[in-house]
Amino acid sequence: DQQVKQNSPSLSVQEGRISILNCDYTNSMFDYFLWYKKYPAEGPTFLISISSIKDKNEDGRFTVFLNKSAKHLSLHIVPSQPGDSAVYFCAASVKGAGNTPLVFGKGTRLSVIA
Amino acid sequence: GAVVSQHPSRVICKSGTSVKIECRSLDFQATTMFWYRQFPKQSLMLMATSNEGSKATYEQGVEKDKFLINHASLTLSTLTVTSAHPEDSSFYICSASFSRGHGNTIYFGEGSWLTVV
Repeated sequence: DQQVKQNSPSLSVQEGRISILNCDYTNSMFDYFLWYKKYPAEGPTFLISISSIKDKNEDGRFTVFLNKSAKHLSLHIVPSQPGDSAVYFCAASVKGAGNTPLVFGKGTRLSVIA
Repeated sequence: GAVVSQHPSRVICKSGTSVKIECRSLDFQATTMFWYRQFPKQSLMLMATSNEGSKATYEQGVEKDKFLINHASLTLSTLTVTSAHPEDSSFYICSASFSRGHGNTIYFGEGSWLTVV
């Protein structure tokens, strides 16, 4: 049973436009959510996180929105750049990602077209 | 920022031999590190939780005797793949938790690509 779901395996966006990556979760105990960017044969790079006490967190071009009632979060990238092309993983954790492992979605491959 | 380093980044070994992968937290102490495995075009699968000074906690289906984890210090965890087989060829990634104030964030190493021939 997949607790973190990224239902879109891929997404193509034109350079300069907004990229919206979606993530759904089923475990209501999750209280901390993170987005990672990953290139092939490299470790994931942390992008942005959000605690369940917030509904929005912004860092530069990246904004994460959390809708707890819908158990849904999304990552917005604006404006999208060709260098943003990568696989994006949504991850969730219980108790603030301290000593508990992250649960990952299957990832969404973003292609930003120049 | 916090940095987690893995070594080696790529390794090729013969079937039946053992290979060790190191994971270091470079500028912070990590009481807990996690080891993941990623197959091509698939998500990261948690293998085990490595606890400093105690035995690792393995996920269901992961062979403890095959994937030996040692967390001897607060900055180093090692994964040893014993009696390697070609099906062990994969991308192995470690991670460690770092406090960012409002919550802990997990940072990942660069990954280690293992090829067993």
